[in-house]
Parts: sequence; C-alpha cells; structure tokens
Amino acid sequence: QQQVKQSPQSLIVQKGGISIINCAYENTAFDYFPWYQQFPGKGPALLIAIRPDVSEKKEGRFTISFNKSAKQFSLHIMDSQPGDSATYFCAATYSSASKIIFGSGTRLSIRP
Amino acid sequence: DTEVTQTPKHLVMGMTNKKSLKCEQHMGHRAMYWYKQKAKKPPELMFVYSYEKLSINESVPSRFSPECPNSSLLNLHLHALQPEDSALYLCASSQGPNSYNEQFFGPGTRLTVL
Repeated sequence: QQQVKQSPQSLIVQKGGISIINCAYENTAFDYFPWYQQFPGKGPALLIAIRPDVSEKKEGRFTISFNKSAKQFSLHIMDSQPGDSATYFCAATYSSASKIIFGSGTRLSIRP
Repeated sequence: DTEVTQTPKHLVMGMTNKKSLKCEQHMGHRAMYWYKQKAKKPPELMFVYSYEKLSINESVPSRFSPECPNSSLLNLHLHALQPEDSALYLCASSQGPNSYNEQFFGPGTRLTVL
C-alpha cells in the first residue's frame, strides 16, 4: 500500500514532442504528489507538485494530470527539449509525514 | 542562498576505515535528511533530523551514525562499511519536517567501499 508504481522505465522522445510519464498509487491517504527531476551527477530537484483536490496543474511546459478515482497521475512535458533529458521520479506522501515515497524513476532522453 | 553543499564529492574507503560525510545549508531550514541512492534507483530515506533532533531512523545499520551539531550542519559518520554500501549519499533540507515543505537536495557524495 506504500508503493508508487511508475512507468515507463525509460523513454525516448523526439525534440518538440510530448513526453508522458505515468504513476499509480494505492494508499488513498496520500495527499501530496511531487515530481522530481534529477540530472546526472546532481541531486533530485522538485519540478512540480499537486494535491488531490486539483485535477490538473500546469507550470510552463510541465503539466501534472491527476485522476483521484483511478489513483493515477501523470507528468506531461510539452515541446520536449534536449535539456529535459534527465531521470524523473514521481512521489507521494502525507501532509503530516517527513517521508516521501518515490516511484522507481523514468530515464527520459530527448533526441535532437 | 538556496544551496545544500556536501563534502567530499567522492570518497573511497576500505571496510575498516572510519570516515565522515558533511552537509551544510544556510537557508535557515530546520529539517535535514540523509538519503542513499543506488544507480538507477530512487533515493531511499535513511535519517531525518527535525530541529536538530533525530526524528526518523529508517532501520539503518549502526555502521552509519548521523550527527547534527547545529541547525546548519549534518554529518554522517561511517565505520566498518560493506561493499554493498557503495552508493550516492544525498543530503537534503527543508523549512520544516512536514513533507509539504520542498526538500532541497545537495549534489551528493559518491561513496565506494572496497
């Protein structure tokens, strides 16, 4: 029940295309869903986050879609650029907790 | 200053050595974290310090010993490690221990245990 399942494991997208990463969770008590971006040799950095009372959140080219009834959420990267090539982790947590439950990660490569 | 710094960047140690990893932040954050990350895996939480007190220990072996000397510094003391402990060790900090607070990660220390 503590798991967050993430797919795909790796993704190759042409420059200018849309990158889509999907995640699913079981525990309905989770109330905060962040996405992290990690470049090689760096620590993860918070990219965008959503709470379950909202179905979509957009920040620039990055959009989270959230389906509470299906217990699924996804990250869409519009107009993908080579600089977006990184590993992306979805995550889930409780507002009262310190621990973040990470998905397994998606290695995204954007072809020029 | 929104940076978490970690030293050293790389560390190679034998199984009988004692070494320490250091982490520093000057953002006034009151929660600090140690994570372990293996290649192609997500970070795994090891320890959480909240207001300089250890609040979470994720059943980490005693060969890893955390220390928080003050609100800006976090150390991880290493002793008698095993080769399987080789990993990237990440430090993070946040304004408070609640997970709504954004965690800022350092670049990590790449540890190799021979």
